[in-house]
Amino acid sequence: GNSVTQMEGPVTLSEEAFLTINCTYTATGYPSLFWYVQYPGEGLQLLLKATKADDKGSNKGFEATYRKETTSFHLEKGSVQVSDSAVYFCAEGKTGRRALTFGSGTRLQVQP
Amino acid sequence: GAVVSQHPSRVICKSGTSVKIECRSLDFQATTMFWYRQFPKQSLMLMATSNEGSKATYEQGVEKDKFLINHASLTLSTLTVTSAHPEDSSFYICSARDGPGLPIGVEQFFGPGTRLTVL
Repeated sequence: GNSVTQMEGPVTLSEEAFLTINCTYTATGYPSLFWYVQYPGEGLQLLLKATKADDKGSNKGFEATYRKETTSFHLEKGSVQVSDSAVYFCAEGKTGRRALTFGSGTRLQVQP
Repeated sequence: GAVVSQHPSRVICKSGTSVKIECRSLDFQATTMFWYRQFPKQSLMLMATSNEGSKATYEQGVEKDKFLINHASLTLSTLTVTSAHPEDSSFYICSARDGPGLPIGVEQFFGPGTRLTVL
Protein backbone atom coordinates (compact mmCIF):
# COMPACT_ATOMS: atom_id res chain seq x y z
CA GLY A 1 0.00 0.00 0.00
CA ASN A 2 0.91 3.65 -0.09
CA SER A 3 3.13 5.09 2.60
CA VAL A 4 4.39 8.45 3.77
CA THR A 5 7.81 8.82 5.38
CA GLN A 6 8.84 11.81 7.39
CA MET A 7 11.88 12.56 9.48
CA GLU A 8 11.87 11.36 13.04
CA GLY A 9 11.88 13.82 15.87
CA PRO A 10 12.06 15.45 18.12
CA VAL A 11 13.49 18.40 16.26
CA THR A 12 14.77 21.00 18.68
CA LEU A 13 15.47 24.51 17.43
CA SER A 14 16.11 27.91 18.88
CA GLU A 15 13.64 30.68 18.20
CA GLU A 16 14.11 32.32 14.77
CA ALA A 17 15.95 29.30 13.38
CA PHE A 18 15.16 27.83 9.96
CA LEU A 19 12.98 24.73 9.92
CA THR A 20 12.87 21.85 7.46
CA ILE A 21 10.87 18.68 8.03
CA ASN A 22 11.31 16.18 5.22
CA CYS A 23 8.42 14.18 3.81
CA THR A 24 8.33 11.68 0.95
CA TYR A 25 5.46 9.56 -0.37
CA THR A 26 5.11 6.40 -2.44
CA ALA A 27 1.68 6.82 -4.03
CA THR A 28 1.68 6.76 -7.81
CA GLY A 29 -0.03 9.32 -9.97
CA TYR A 30 -0.83 12.70 -8.49
CA PRO A 31 -2.12 12.44 -4.93
CA SER A 32 -3.02 15.51 -2.94
CA LEU A 33 -0.48 16.29 -0.24
CA PHE A 34 -1.06 17.81 3.18
CA TRP A 35 0.66 18.98 6.31
CA TYR A 36 -1.34 18.77 9.53
CA VAL A 37 -0.27 20.19 12.88
CA GLN A 38 -1.28 18.97 16.33
CA TYR A 39 -0.78 21.32 19.26
CA PRO A 40 -0.71 19.82 22.77
CA GLY A 41 -4.12 18.61 23.86
CA GLU A 42 -5.78 19.50 20.55
CA GLY A 43 -6.90 17.73 17.39
CA LEU A 44 -5.03 17.69 14.10
CA GLN A 45 -5.47 20.91 12.11
CA LEU A 46 -4.81 21.34 8.42
CA LEU A 47 -1.75 23.55 8.02
CA LEU A 48 -1.38 23.59 4.24
CA LYS A 49 -1.96 21.49 1.17
CA ALA A 50 -1.04 21.12 -2.50
CA THR A 51 -3.03 19.26 -5.10
CA LYS A 52 -0.78 19.15 -8.17
CA ALA A 53 2.87 19.04 -9.08
CA ASP A 54 4.88 22.22 -8.45
CA ASP A 55 2.09 23.70 -6.34
CA LYS A 56 3.28 25.48 -3.23
CA GLY A 57 1.10 25.40 -0.15
CA SER A 58 1.64 28.10 2.44
CA ASN A 59 0.15 29.21 5.74
CA LYS A 60 1.36 30.99 8.87
CA GLY A 61 4.86 31.34 7.41
CA PHE A 62 5.12 27.63 6.60
CA GLU A 63 5.61 26.47 3.03
CA ALA A 64 5.82 23.17 1.19
CA THR A 65 6.26 22.50 -2.53
CA TYR A 66 4.84 19.46 -4.31
CA ARG A 67 7.84 17.84 -6.03
CA LYS A 68 6.71 15.05 -8.31
CA GLU A 69 10.23 14.23 -9.50
CA THR A 70 11.41 13.48 -5.97
CA THR A 71 7.97 12.47 -4.56
CA SER A 72 8.52 14.92 -1.76
CA PHE A 73 6.62 17.61 0.12
CA HIS A 74 9.11 19.06 2.61
CA LEU A 75 7.83 21.56 5.17
CA GLU A 76 9.84 24.75 5.70
CA LYS A 77 9.66 27.90 7.77
CA GLY A 78 12.21 30.66 7.73
CA SER A 79 11.97 31.70 11.36
CA VAL A 80 10.27 29.49 13.93
CA GLN A 81 8.63 30.72 17.11
CA VAL A 82 8.05 29.05 20.45
CA SER A 83 4.36 28.88 19.55
CA ASP A 84 5.22 26.60 16.61
CA SER A 85 6.08 23.81 19.04
CA ALA A 86 3.78 20.94 18.05
CA VAL A 87 3.68 17.64 16.20
CA TYR A 88 3.59 17.91 12.41
CA PHE A 89 2.08 15.19 10.20
CA CYS A 90 2.57 14.80 6.48
CA ALA A 91 -0.28 13.05 4.64
CA GLU A 92 -1.41 12.10 1.16
CA GLY A 93 -4.82 11.39 -0.28
CA LYS A 94 -6.44 10.61 -3.58
CA THR A 95 -9.80 11.35 -5.10
CA GLY A 96 -12.07 8.38 -4.59
CA ARG A 97 -10.26 7.33 -1.42
CA ARG A 98 -11.59 9.52 1.31
CA ALA A 99 -9.18 8.56 4.08
CA LEU A 100 -5.65 9.89 4.26
CA THR A 101 -2.32 8.10 4.59
CA PHE A 102 -0.24 9.73 7.31
CA GLY A 103 3.42 9.88 8.15
CA SER A 104 4.51 9.07 11.69
CA GLY A 105 4.63 12.69 12.81
CA THR A 106 7.57 14.90 13.78
CA ARG A 107 7.65 16.66 17.10
CA LEU A 108 9.09 20.18 16.93
CA GLN A 109 10.35 21.88 20.06
CA VAL A 110 11.31 25.54 19.79
CA GLN A 111 13.30 26.98 22.65
CA PRO A 112 13.33 30.69 23.49
CA GLY B 1 -13.12 25.93 12.24
CA ALA B 2 -15.31 22.99 13.05
CA VAL B 3 -14.71 21.24 16.36
CA VAL B 4 -14.62 17.55 17.06
CA SER B 5 -14.43 16.29 20.62
CA GLN B 6 -13.50 12.90 21.99
CA HIS B 7 -14.32 11.41 25.34
CA PRO B 8 -12.61 10.24 27.38
CA SER B 9 -9.21 11.74 26.65
CA ARG B 10 -7.51 9.02 28.63
CA VAL B 11 -8.70 5.68 29.96
CA ILE B 12 -7.07 2.85 31.87
CA CYS B 13 -8.88 -0.46 32.11
CA LYS B 14 -8.32 -4.05 33.13
CA SER B 15 -7.79 -6.79 30.60
CA GLY B 16 -11.08 -8.36 29.51
CA THR B 17 -13.23 -5.30 30.00
CA SER B 18 -14.85 -3.21 27.27
CA VAL B 19 -14.20 0.46 26.70
CA LYS B 20 -16.35 2.94 24.78
CA ILE B 21 -14.87 6.03 23.14
CA GLU B 22 -17.13 8.82 21.89
CA CYS B 23 -16.47 11.14 18.99
CA ARG B 24 -18.73 14.17 18.60
CA SER B 25 -18.94 16.89 15.99
CA LEU B 26 -19.89 19.96 17.99
CA ASP B 27 -20.96 22.49 15.40
CA PHE B 28 -21.62 20.59 12.21
CA GLN B 29 -23.28 17.43 11.04
CA ALA B 30 -20.84 14.67 10.21
CA THR B 31 -22.11 12.25 7.60
CA THR B 32 -18.81 10.39 7.73
CA MET B 33 -16.46 9.73 10.59
CA PHE B 34 -13.11 7.98 10.49
CA TRP B 35 -11.40 6.09 13.27
CA TYR B 36 -7.62 5.99 13.32
CA ARG B 37 -5.18 4.24 15.61
CA GLN B 38 -1.69 5.47 16.36
CA PHE B 39 1.10 3.48 17.96
CA PRO B 40 4.03 5.32 19.54
CA LYS B 41 6.24 6.92 16.92
CA GLN B 42 4.14 5.45 14.12
CA SER B 43 1.66 6.71 11.57
CA LEU B 44 -2.03 7.13 12.04
CA MET B 45 -3.56 3.93 10.69
CA LEU B 46 -7.13 4.02 9.42
CA MET B 47 -9.25 1.44 11.23
CA ALA B 48 -12.70 2.06 9.81
CA THR B 49 -15.00 4.48 8.09
CA SER B 50 -18.46 4.99 9.52
CA ASN B 51 -21.38 6.58 7.76
CA GLU B 52 -24.41 7.76 9.67
CA GLY B 53 -27.16 5.17 9.68
CA SER B 54 -25.20 2.37 8.04
CA LYS B 55 -22.63 -0.23 8.95
CA ALA B 56 -19.01 0.79 9.25
CA THR B 57 -16.46 -0.21 6.63
CA TYR B 58 -13.42 -1.78 8.25
CA GLU B 59 -9.90 -1.78 6.86
CA GLN B 60 -8.20 -5.07 6.17
CA GLY B 61 -6.88 -6.66 9.32
CA VAL B 62 -9.18 -4.79 11.71
CA GLU B 63 -11.51 -7.11 13.64
CA LYS B 64 -15.01 -5.72 13.39
CA ASP B 65 -16.24 -7.83 16.29
CA LYS B 66 -13.53 -6.44 18.51
CA PHE B 67 -13.80 -2.81 17.48
CA LEU B 68 -17.52 -2.04 17.37
CA ILE B 69 -18.45 1.20 15.68
CA ASN B 70 -21.83 2.87 15.94
CA HIS B 71 -22.71 6.04 14.07
CA ALA B 72 -26.30 6.45 15.13
CA SER B 73 -26.58 10.21 14.69
CA LEU B 74 -25.05 12.93 12.57
CA THR B 75 -23.04 14.23 15.52
CA LEU B 76 -21.93 11.10 17.35
CA SER B 77 -19.89 8.02 16.55
CA THR B 78 -18.71 5.55 19.15
CA LEU B 79 -15.89 3.03 19.10
CA THR B 80 -16.15 0.18 21.59
CA VAL B 81 -13.09 -1.92 22.22
CA THR B 82 -14.51 -5.22 23.42
CA SER B 83 -12.64 -7.60 25.73
CA ALA B 84 -9.63 -5.32 25.69
CA HIS B 85 -6.13 -6.74 26.00
CA PRO B 86 -2.77 -5.05 26.55
CA GLU B 87 -2.02 -5.13 22.82
CA ASP B 88 -5.05 -2.88 22.27
CA SER B 89 -3.30 -0.12 24.20
CA SER B 90 -2.92 2.73 21.77
CA PHE B 91 -3.94 6.28 20.84
CA TYR B 92 -7.30 6.36 19.06
CA ILE B 93 -8.19 9.39 16.95
CA CYS B 94 -11.43 10.17 15.16
CA SER B 95 -12.08 12.59 12.37
CA ALA B 96 -15.32 13.85 10.89
CA ARG B 97 -16.47 15.42 7.70
CA ASP B 98 -19.71 16.56 6.14
CA GLY B 99 -20.79 16.48 2.54
CA PRO B 100 -19.91 13.29 0.67
CA GLY B 101 -18.83 15.15 -2.44
CA LEU B 102 -16.25 17.43 -0.88
CA PRO B 103 -12.51 17.16 -1.61
CA ILE B 104 -10.30 15.00 0.53
CA GLY B 105 -8.58 16.49 3.54
CA VAL B 106 -9.79 20.03 3.99
CA GLU B 107 -13.16 19.09 5.35
CA GLN B 108 -11.85 16.44 7.73
CA PHE B 109 -11.75 17.70 11.27
CA PHE B 110 -9.88 15.73 13.89
CA GLY B 111 -10.60 15.03 17.52
CA PRO B 112 -7.84 15.33 20.15
CA GLY B 113 -7.52 11.58 20.57
CA THR B 114 -8.07 9.05 23.35
CA ARG B 115 -5.21 7.24 24.98
CA LEU B 116 -6.20 3.72 26.00
CA THR B 117 -4.07 1.72 28.40
CA VAL B 118 -5.07 -1.87 29.09
CA LEU B 119 -3.45 -3.42 32.14
